[in-house]
Amino acid sequence: AQSVTQLDSQVPVFEEAPVELRCNYSSSVSVYLFWYVQYPNQGLQLLLKYLSGSTLVKGINGFEAEFNKSQTSFHLRKPSVHISDTAEYFCAVSDMNTGFQKLVFGTGTRLLVSP
Amino acid sequence: EAGVAQSPRYKIIEKRQSVAFWCNPISGHATLYWYQQILGQGPKLLIQFQNNGVVDDSQLPKDRFSAERLKGVDSTLKIQPAKLEDSAVYLCASSLGRIGSSDTQYFGPGTRLTVL
Repeated sequence: AQSVTQLDSQVPVFEEAPVELRCNYSSSVSVYLFWYVQYPNQGLQLLLKYLSGSTLVKGINGFEAEFNKSQTSFHLRKPSVHISDTAEYFCAVSDMNTGFQKLVFGTGTRLLVSP
Repeated sequence: EAGVAQSPRYKIIEKRQSVAFWCNPISGHATLYWYQQILGQGPKLLIQFQNNGVVDDSQLPKDRFSAERLKGVDSTLKIQPAKLEDSAVYLCASSLGRIGSSDTQYFGPGTRLTVL
């Protein structure tokens, strides 16, 4: 079974500052890794995903994440945040070897961007 | 392309009442998922359909929850009777569902259920 840990429940940051949202996972098998964003009263939207290959993954809205297998981490970063980035961010994993994708989510990190 | 549609968006019921949620996935998507998202937590998978067959319902409380996907398109999730702890947002998602792939899951806006 897989599990995801997002240690920071809330991250406050000023506009135009850089940000990193941390994600660590636990799994006995190889996994796919995902970051989703949830704006207030909306469903989840995929930001980026790691399947294989380059460990640095670029996503939408200027976000990127780096897969580190030795540290079992997949931290999300953005060099300069905007007010509109205020949202809940979820890290998720999926077993690479099952026939059907099943996502296991972390508890989420609320990013609060202030002027 | 239309996204995943869900209705109603909000529902308030008394405990022990029944409630049903509806989901219409993206056209052509074979896999449909129902998630429960309790306040302050990440979404938890309740049930997963591949066309009109159940792939995984290991976390569905079957004594009170049921779901169906007639004709492999629309889906309905029902709770009967509801308990206070069922208060949550119920999210529906769909994907192309190619076996062995990592197809993106697309989420609907969710139904916020409050049980009083």
